[in-house]
Amino acid sequence: GAVVSQHPSWVICKSGTSVKIECRSLDFQATTMFWYRQFPKQSLMLMATSNEGSKATYEQGVEKDKFLINHASLTLSTLTVTSAHPEDSSFYICSASGQGSGNYGYTFGSGTRLTVV
Amino acid sequence: LAKTTQPISMDSYEGQEVNITCSHNNIATNDYITWYQQFPSQGPRFIIQGYKTKVTNEVASLFIPADRKSSTLSLPRVSLSDTAVYYCLVGDSHTGGFKTIFGAGTRLFVKA
Repeated sequence: GAVVSQHPSWVICKSGTSVKIECRSLDFQATTMFWYRQFPKQSLMLMATSNEGSKATYEQGVEKDKFLINHASLTLSTLTVTSAHPEDSSFYICSASGQGSGNYGYTFGSGTRLTVV
Repeated sequence: LAKTTQPISMDSYEGQEVNITCSHNNIATNDYITWYQQFPSQGPRFIIQGYKTKVTNEVASLFIPADRKSSTLSLPRVSLSDTAVYYCLVGDSHTGGFKTIFGAGTRLFVKA
């Protein structure tokens, strides 16, 4: 079946540094990828949608200069949290869709736990 | 995107059947209904998807009435490992490419 690999699974960084999270579709071409963040005991909140080769579309209230999304290939999208601060600590999840993605359209990564200290 | 409403939480015991209902009054003609399961610190996992009537797979059944304004996820004989959050999503996700908005989900707690 369709697999999306998300890396790293957890990361701790110092305040003010940048962190990059990768999301790879292993066995299908991900024409569209989505990035979510999830705070404890809350639902997933969509941050942005990216189509391969295009600029990402950010949801209202999400700072595009802080959360840089790159979707340069059909198998890889990255989310870079720039100048991270403790309030950016969260669980970040990607999902991908495209031909062959199975699961009736979407496959999710396993998530990345970001802790900013 | 159709808004969904689910119970915030449910409790059950091992071996019981659990039914979680989702309301989606504004569902569009092209919309499918998809259910996901999420364990703590993991990404959501696809459970089942349907358009109308009944769908069954190896882990669950999905019942959708004729007006499609609601749906019920049925988990037969739950076990402790079914303790998770269950999300009902409505949208034209059958072919992917459309953004998926998650509602609050239902937190299911299965007790021994």
